[in-house]
Amino acid sequence: DTAVSQTPKYLVTQMGNDKSIKCEQNLGHDTMYWYKQDSKKFLKIMFSYNNKELIINETVPNRFSPKSPDKAHLNLHINSLELGDSAVYFCASSQARTGLNYEQYFGPGTRLTVT
Amino acid sequence: GESVGLHLPTLSVQEGDNSIINCAYSNSASDYFIWYKQESGKGPQFIIDIRSNMDKRQGQRVTVLLNKTVKHLSLQIAATQPGDSAVYFCAENFFANDYKLSFGAGTTVTVRA
Repeated sequence: DTAVSQTPKYLVTQMGNDKSIKCEQNLGHDTMYWYKQDSKKFLKIMFSYNNKELIINETVPNRFSPKSPDKAHLNLHINSLELGDSAVYFCASSQARTGLNYEQYFGPGTRLTVT
Repeated sequence: GESVGLHLPTLSVQEGDNSIINCAYSNSASDYFIWYKQESGKGPQFIIDIRSNMDKRQGQRVTVLLNKTVKHLSLQIAATQPGDSAVYFCAENFFANDYKLSFGAGTTVTVRA
């Protein structure tokens, strides 16, 4: 069973297009995240939702819009794609940090290439 | 093999040797730390965590050491195997910022046969 899944795994598109990446977790977690990993492997948080409520919104262009239809899903929509958006995007999920563990479980990533 | 100083992007280690990966964290208020392993083409995978009220924690072939005085974290891998080749990240969190994990720049570990 895949804990955190993302689709698509690869996405190649042209500048100016609009695209979406979907994420689903079957771990029963309350919190989901989107991260961007650049070519130097640096991981940076973009957004986080807890029970469908936006709780983290880092300095991200408003061309990026997350949507959480329910607590098991967090999708990322990107408008007017730019060359600099090329990266690997990871979805993750976790429980809230009320106990001893605060592990975030990551999906396999979506490699976005903008040409 | 050991990555020295605050951070070294790459570490080459002979199979069977012990590896030490170092990480300097940024927030003195951070009270929870995680090490992740990322293999090529995959998402980061949890290895081990440690809370700030501890200075050492051991797992299977891995040990994490925490030095709060100098804000330093290290991951030791015993008897390094080819499957340990990956990028390793440390991440920090403090409870006041409940949901946010801040990741360090990764260290690429290559195991030589």
